[in-house]
Parts: sequence; structure tokens; C-alpha cells
Amino acid sequence: QKEVEQNSGPLSVPEGAIASLNCTYSDRGSQSFFWYRQYSGKSPELIMSIYSNGDKEDGRFTAQLNKASQYVSLLIRDSQPSDSATYLCAVNHMDYGGSQGNLIFGKGTKLSVKP
Amino acid sequence: SQTIHQWPATLVQPVGSPLSLECTVEGTSNPNLYWYRQAAGRGLQLLFYSVGIGQISSEVPQNLSASRPQDRQFILSSKKLLLSDSGFYLCAWSVRVPEQFFGPGTRLTVL
Repeated sequence: QKEVEQNSGPLSVPEGAIASLNCTYSDRGSQSFFWYRQYSGKSPELIMSIYSNGDKEDGRFTAQLNKASQYVSLLIRDSQPSDSATYLCAVNHMDYGGSQGNLIFGKGTKLSVKP
Repeated sequence: SQTIHQWPATLVQPVGSPLSLECTVEGTSNPNLYWYRQAAGRGLQLLFYSVGIGQISSEVPQNLSASRPQDRQFILSSKKLLLSDSGFYLCAWSVRVPEQFFGPGTRLTVL
């Protein structure tokens, strides 16, 4: 069974610090990886996609992928109170339904950035 | 640009009543469409997906059904709601890439 695991948190960091969010997945055939941000009461918003091993940076966000260890992480630099949300990790596998594969989501890590 | 709409935004229904939730996408053609449910304290659960008009795949057997009568319209239905159907229902779309984009969601409370 394909699984995506995340620490539920809450992860609390002070404003200006680096927040580190982690995710592991069970299926070695997984091919693309995503981070979504979900504010309380709102729908998930895609913030990062990563397809190959290594780092991908976008502004204050860096996604890191290590396929050998089946591990993907999200770093948020200079954390702001507005970053306080639940962060969902999602993993795509082409064999899991549909023409592009479907996503399997972790349960999310709640991040709290304290002023 | 693409836009996805869902309605209603919130819904309170008695047990045993029917349900119809609608999702429409603008600004794209032939999208893949998805229905998810997010229950309190639980992750996103894929309920149905569709790769075209009239083509529905079910991921979880339950008392819900889905239909896609038009290219950019996706409907989630139930004939008789259960208490366990309460949750946040999310519609999502994708086109030629695995990234999915979510609508604003419908919060359903079954009493």
C-alpha cells in the first residue's frame, strides 16, 4: 500500500528562523513530489513541485528530494507569521490511476511561526 | 487563466437526505477532475477522478457517486447521507501534468 508519512506537529518556530518540514514515502516508483500549504478552513494551495534528486529553490522555499532514502523536505527561510499553516506533502505515481497518475497525500504538518 | 468553482461553500444536511455538490472549471479544456474529502483530523482522501465526459473512477466504495455531464463540470452526489459523510469536500483539476489545483471547497455537516 502506498503511504506518505508526515509528522503532524505542531512545529513551532520563531519569526525569522528556518522551518524544516519532512515527508517520507513508501513507494519507490513515485516520480514527482509536491508541497501544498493549507490555511485553516481553506483549500490546499500548491507551493512547490520537485521531480529530480537535489534541491529546488523558489523564493524563501526550498524543496529537497532524496529518492534513495524516499525522503522529501521543505525548508522555509526567514519564517513569517503568515507562513503559519498546515503543509501537505503529496506524491505522484503514474500507476495510481488516471492518465498522469494520482496524488497520495500525507496528513500534513501544522507549522506555527511565533512573532 | 484557469479558475475552479465549487458550490455551495457550506451545507448542513440531515442524515438520510440527498446531496449534490457541483464543481466547474474555466479556462481549460479536457481537464482531469478529482473529488477529495478531508475529514477532521484526517488526510485528503481521493473519492473519484475523471479523465473525460462520462468517465468516472471510484477510489473508495461508499454511498457517494460522481458524474461528469460536461467537459468542465463534475458533480458529487448521494441519495442518503450518513453522519460519516461530514467533511470538507474538495474538487481539483489537472491538465497534462501531475500537479493538481484545488477549488475553494464545500464544508458539509451532516446532523
